[in-house]
Amino acid sequence: SSELTQDPAVSVALGQTVNITCQGDTLGVYFASWYQQKPGQAPVLVIYGQNNRPSGIPDRFSGSRSGNTSSLTITGAQAEDEADYYCNSRDSRGNHPWVFGGGTYLTVL
Amino acid sequence: EVQLVETGGGLIQPGGSLRLSCVVSGFTVSRTYMTWVRQAPGKGLEWVSVIYSGGSAYYADSVKGRFTISRDSSKNTVYLQVDSLRAEDTAVYYCARIQTSPIGADAFDRWGQGTMVIVSS
Repeated sequence: SSELTQDPAVSVALGQTVNITCQGDTLGVYFASWYQQKPGQAPVLVIYGQNNRPSGIPDRFSGSRSGNTSSLTITGAQAEDEADYYCNSRDSRGNHPWVFGGGTYLTVL
Repeated sequence: EVQLVETGGGLIQPGGSLRLSCVVSGFTVSRTYMTWVRQAPGKGLEWVSVIYSGGSAYYADSVKGRFTISRDSSKNTVYLQVDSLRAEDTAVYYCARIQTSPIGADAFDRWGQGTMVIVSS
């Protein structure tokens, strides 16, 4: 079972703001990174570290952390943001360096 | 330009073996952390294995003892030898580069397109 917990599904109205959360014991120590995956495509890094966006990622994507919960926020969600979103961070179990959350499917209404 | 291209997937019977390859361009695999991540049909991402720049390797419990990660610096390629395959190993296998950080801000910043492994009789 995953040590990073995500809600399976979230919805947002077009143009509104949505938070996708990720809970885990290690998130108080390590930052989460966030990946967007559309059907049939490889994952794409959208947020990492405190709140860093790779080149090409729109600034409506942002990240934050509070305690053991990390959040991905999309401000002004667009239709093309409909996708699966996965968090990733260091694993707390010895020689298991990394772990993914179970993923959240975002529906843009 | 950074590119990762996986090959080697296919249909294989239970108990069989495959060697997956990830040919890299645009950076040197021996100087970075490289990882394999898989995704079973309709399921989420599962971290599988990593090889550090220093050569240390780690595996998920689900594949430990059956999968082996390695690299060939001369070919700038990372491999995943997958042995004793089971039906539950059926998945798309992605290789990715890990950008590490001393402050715990790691990121899997570049991914290949994936290669499909189907384990079935």
